This record gives sequence, C-alpha cells and structure tokens, in this order.
Amino acid sequence: SAVISQKPSRDICQRGTSLTIQCQVDSQVTMMFWYRQQPGQSLTLIATANQGSEATYESGFVIDKFPISRPNLTFSTLTVSNMSPEDSSIYLCSVGAGEDQPQHFGDGTRLSIL
Amino acid sequence: SQELEQSPQSLIVQEGKNLTINCTSSKTLYGLYWYKQKYGEGLIFLMMLQKGGEEKSHEKITAKLDEKKQQSSLHITASQPSHAGIYLCGADKGGTYKYIFGTGTRLKVLA
Repeated sequence: SAVISQKPSRDICQRGTSLTIQCQVDSQVTMMFWYRQQPGQSLTLIATANQGSEATYESGFVIDKFPISRPNLTFSTLTVSNMSPEDSSIYLCSVGAGEDQPQHFGDGTRLSIL
Repeated sequence: SQELEQSPQSLIVQEGKNLTINCTSSKTLYGLYWYKQKYGEGLIFLMMLQKGGEEKSHEKITAKLDEKKQQSSLHITASQPSHAGIYLCGADKGGTYKYIFGTGTRLKVLA
C-alpha cells in the first residue's frame, strides 16, 4: 500500500491565522481525501481532491475556509483559514486506490488553536 | 443519509479475554472497512468486507459481514495490550469512493 506522509504532525496556532497541511504520497494516486476528526469524535469527510479538477466539498465545508490544492498525482495541501478554537481537530489525508480497494491514511495533523 | 452506529462505545477488558465490536448501518453496505486508530494518530487498515456472509481473519482479529449487508462485527480473540486503541468501521457511500465512519469503539486492554 502507498506510504503517506503528512506535515506538520502537530501545531499550536493563534486564532485568526491560517495553517497549510501537506500530504505527500510515494506513488501516483487519482483520489485523495481530507478528513477532520474533532476531539472524541469520528472522522468527517471535508472534501475530495482529484488531480486536474477542483476539489469537491461535503455539506458544511466551504472552499473559503478549507482551500485545497492538488498540483500533481502525489501531493495535496489543505489550508485551514482564519482559525478559531472550534477548528482544533486532527486533520487526516487519505488516498483511494479505486474500486474494491480500501483507503489508506496518513498519520494526521493534530491542530490546537489558542 | 447513511449512518453507521458502533457498539459498544468503549470497552475495558482483561488481557486474554475475547471481545466483539459491532457496526450497524442504516442502509445496505457496498463495502465495509475496519480500521484501528492509536490515540491521536492515523488510521491503520485492518480488513475489508464486501460480500454478504463474508468473513475474514488476520492474526487474532476476525471480521464478518451479515447476509443482508447491514451489520458487521469485529471479534478479537485472546486480547493483548497491543490491541488497545479506537476501532472504526467505515463504509463506501453508495459506490462513490467517499467514506462515512462509525462512531468508534475505544478499547483498553488491562495487562
């Protein structure tokens, strides 16, 4: 399975600032996904990032708050903009290998907003 | 919209004991995935189930999908402290490759 590296692994940020999270894969993949895991909660899909097209966002998530880039088949970034304490979560990227294959996840970015 | 409900929410067992975690879907499952998450870290893929009645095993963990494809169980035999973590079931939303996840089960194994 693909090896997925996320950076940073954790960060503490001031409210009102923005942070960009990077996701690097060791092989070319078509589908990449970004999830949020709020404290004590399960994972919620933020958006799907496919190379060559705009990211598609799930209900409740907007591009202005969570802009995503997907410049090539091995890399994606998620920016958390104008952060507030409610954005304190673990953010995870995953890659999908297609039909009948499971998604594989990075180690996540633990974000705390003061 | 489809929802996944896991039970129990948390579990504390003595080392060596068997345990079962359940995942129930509000709709027919196209694919059911079990993951383990160490606290605050990424998800580790355990098993994938697609066919009604399917059962898979890896080391001491067995997962089953019922015939109606609306419920799955994860069974751990002779639990060890290394099994501790959060177990999450995930499902493909109607063949979209997008996943929804269950509420999670926190497992603690006492040595």
